[in-house]
Amino acid sequence: EAVLTQSPATLSLSPGERATLSCRASESVRGQLGWYQQKRGQPPRLLISDTFNRAPGIPGRFSGSGSEPDFNLTISSLEPEDFAVYYCQQRYSWPLTFGGGTKVQIK
Amino acid sequence: QLQLQESGPGLVKPSETLSLTCAVSGGSVTNSPNYWGWIRQPPGTGLEWIGIITHFGLTFYNPSLSDRVTISMDTSTNQFSLRLSSVTAADTGLYYCARRIFPYYFDSWGQGALVTVSS
Repeated sequence: EAVLTQSPATLSLSPGERATLSCRASESVRGQLGWYQQKRGQPPRLLISDTFNRAPGIPGRFSGSGSEPDFNLTISSLEPEDFAVYYCQQRYSWPLTFGGGTKVQIK
Repeated sequence: QLQLQESGPGLVKPSETLSLTCAVSGGSVTNSPNYWGWIRQPPGTGLEWIGIITHFGLTFYNPSLSDRVTISMDTSTNQFSLRLSSVTAADTGLYYCARRIFPYYFDSWGQGALVTVSS
């Protein structure tokens, strides 16, 4: 199965700063990697599909990039509501797999 | 707007079967090309995909759970269900139902159902 390794585990930043989260795939996922945001007490919300496509309603400060095996989620300028846990997920192969998550917390 | 709502017992005894149902409103479980999935989250940890059922009833399961998992669909009630047999404490967690739609990520989620496995 495609193991997704996210780094760092925790990112401590201030509002207004830029956040860069990484996800490394153990095997090719052919760019079929997405990102979710999960706030405390809420289900995950889809942010990015297939490396760089923003989901409907997602603000432009969220962007995805990368090429095999390394993918990134960038938040250009952190808003207070962006402090949350972020997960990557691949859809290329079965079983579907998620990364372990990166927590973005207030510094 | 599509809504999903999980329901089922919050407490299950070890070795018994966990059963959850996801009620879908604002759309039909038979709409193409919807896939309906279950994902779980142990306390304080990350997400694990359990399995999926397609709009025409084909299932795909995580091999780590496939010998214990059954996902089914009831078109008359517009629901789909999860059964996980022979549970242990390691199966404790928050269980989410979700829709997987083109481009085949989970775009709509229920609020989650907390299931504790304990005697």
